[in-house]
Amino acid sequence: NSKVIQTPRYLVKGQGQKAKMRCIPEKGHPVVFWYQQNKNNEFKFLINFQNQEVLQQIDMTEKRFSAECPSNSPCSLEIQSSEAGDSALYLCASSGTSLAEQFFGPGTRLTVL
Amino acid sequence: TQTVSQSDAHVTVFEGDSVELRCNYSYGGSIYLSWYIQHHGHGLQFLLKYYSGNPVVQGVNGFEAEFSKSDSSFHLRKASVHWSDSAVYFCAVSMNTGYQNFYFGKGTSLTVIP
Repeated sequence: NSKVIQTPRYLVKGQGQKAKMRCIPEKGHPVVFWYQQNKNNEFKFLINFQNQEVLQQIDMTEKRFSAECPSNSPCSLEIQSSEAGDSALYLCASSGTSLAEQFFGPGTRLTVL
Repeated sequence: TQTVSQSDAHVTVFEGDSVELRCNYSYGGSIYLSWYIQHHGHGLQFLLKYYSGNPVVQGVNGFEAEFSKSDSSFHLRKASVHWSDSAVYFCAVSMNTGYQNFYFGKGTSLTVIP
């Protein structure tokens, strides 16, 4: 069973507000991924980190989205100015030495009113 | 660009039946294939993965999947389902270079009638 912790489980924001969610990866996992799962079950990869460094990120995350994985602190994903289309389940996953296995947290369900 | 296709959006079976959930992918390189399960309101749980070797891989809870290069498929099977197997199942593909992100199919919702 995955030991990835995500908080909060639910987040409700108004349009234009900041939305911040956190993730604690499994102990010893150096790589963290963020995905967005919309109501149609479509997944969108957002960004990933190896230790504190960004490995890959999509264009969307370069504008309103920001993320970090500081040493000895939870990773975080923040949306600077939430839009209705950002409403989704945000999933954090971590990976150890097995490249094909990502362990997912329960997700943060963001609702933007 | 990789694509993952799960042709059945919904599958309904009775408890004790066998089931096959289909997954086809398109990618020309070396890849990893995985299956995950998502119960309502929860995150994804890992079921099994394939990279090389025996094309039939065993996973948790009696699930197995078979890789076919000729068909570009990685179908998930279970011989006898239980009502608790009701969930959404996602097939995922990732490239075999470094820590690559997953590409997911749209999922197949499995309903097992007790």
